[in-house]
Amino acid sequence: GAVVSQHPSRVICKSGTSVKIECRSLDFQATTMFWYRQFPKKSLMLMATSNEGSKATYEQGVEKDKFLINHASLTLSTLTVTSAHPEDSSFYICSAISGAYEQYFGPGTRLTVT
Amino acid sequence: GEDVEQSLFLSVREGDSSVINCTYTDSSSTYLYWYKQEPGAGLQLLTYIFSNMDMKQDQRLTVLLNKKDKHLSLRIADTQTGDSAIYFCAERRGNNAGNMLTFGGGTRLMVKP
Repeated sequence: GAVVSQHPSRVICKSGTSVKIECRSLDFQATTMFWYRQFPKKSLMLMATSNEGSKATYEQGVEKDKFLINHASLTLSTLTVTSAHPEDSSFYICSAISGAYEQYFGPGTRLTVT
Repeated sequence: GEDVEQSLFLSVREGDSSVINCTYTDSSSTYLYWYKQEPGAGLQLLTYIFSNMDMKQDQRLTVLLNKKDKHLSLRIADTQTGDSAIYFCAERRGNNAGNMLTFGGGTRLMVKP
């Protein structure tokens, strides 16, 4: 099946710094990638939809200046959490479209802001 | 509203069958999915069903869809300890793969040896 990777898998950063998370489709080209956030014992919350070569579409309540998304190629999307604060600590998961029916998910990145 | 709901927790004994239930509200859902999430990991697509199907079976997994009642279930036969995880159902509206998914809150399945 289609493989989606994320890097890093875990990151700890100090409050006020920025963190970049990469999402890659390893064996297919993804015109659309999604970024989700998952709180402990909660479901996934869609943050934004990322289309290659165009601006990301953010869900209501998600600050686009805080969560910068870049989809520079058909295999790579990045999420940058700017000026991170402890409340940004979460599990961030990306997914990518393969074919017409399925989203394949990355393994997730656990961000801890101290 | 656009809700997808699941029970929070299910406990079964190894070798028994597990049935995880999901209800959704949007009648325009076209595809319904089951994902598995193991601790600290991302989501693994288990199976999906088109809204015009009633049942889909794939090895130990059986998905039943009652479109009239907007009820989806996942049955795992001969449940193993390795099946312990959180299971999410999700719905997608429309025929475009880019349509967003709406997830349920997840059901934590615990399999006792």
